[in-house]
Amino acid sequence: QITLKESGPTLVKPTQTLTLTCTFSGFSLSTSGVGVGWIRQPPGKALEWLALIYWNDDKRYSPSLKSRLTITKDTSKNQVVLTMTNMDPVDTATYYCAHRLEDDYGDYYDAFDIWGQGTMVTVSS
Amino acid sequence: DIQMTQSPSSLSASVGDRVTITCRASQSISSYLNWYQQKPGKAPKLLIYAASSLQSGVPSRFSGSGSGTDFTLTISSLQPEDFATYYCQQSYSMNTFGPGTKVDIK
Repeated sequence: QITLKESGPTLVKPTQTLTLTCTFSGFSLSTSGVGVGWIRQPPGKALEWLALIYWNDDKRYSPSLKSRLTITKDTSKNQVVLTMTNMDPVDTATYYCAHRLEDDYGDYYDAFDIWGQGTMVTVSS
Repeated sequence: DIQMTQSPSSLSASVGDRVTITCRASQSISSYLNWYQQKPGKAPKLLIYAASSLQSGVPSRFSGSGSGTDFTLTISSLQPEDFATYYCQQSYSMNTFGPGTKVDIK
């Protein structure tokens, strides 16, 4: 059974750096095809994709946020870490991590089939 | 960057209705299109991937179609548990979510 759980601060001040950790079980990020993504959702607004890291350490970032984001993995700890610099009140959102889809035939897609519960982050002084 | 639009932004429907939601990409994305359902306070749930493949465990009343720039999600007979917000996501170039379509009770 695949599970993911986000952890990190609930409140950060403007200009600070946010560090979020996704701790997962039920799969390994050293297995070919596997990936973990980060997606956020401001209150009452739409989903926004942030970043995706693959088993081979390939990384993809949202073009609009690329300069502020860093995604890394620790395979031994089953964790993926997302850092976002220079936080602003508009970054207030629920942040989700999610597992990259592996279908019943063993093929992988950049869709997210298993999500964490999300963690709410408020940016305020 | 690829932009995604959805129409309508919201709709009201009754149980048993056939519901169709449209998603349009700003450029061709082949079949790299996924659909999600989200209920208030919950994480999204994957319904359809690769434009028309039904995710395991998702009821067959959900279906997806389209390729290129225009895609549809169809619910053949709306059930009480289907009242939610639906998002499309392109994965052709990076990833982008659409703005969502809220389906509520008529």
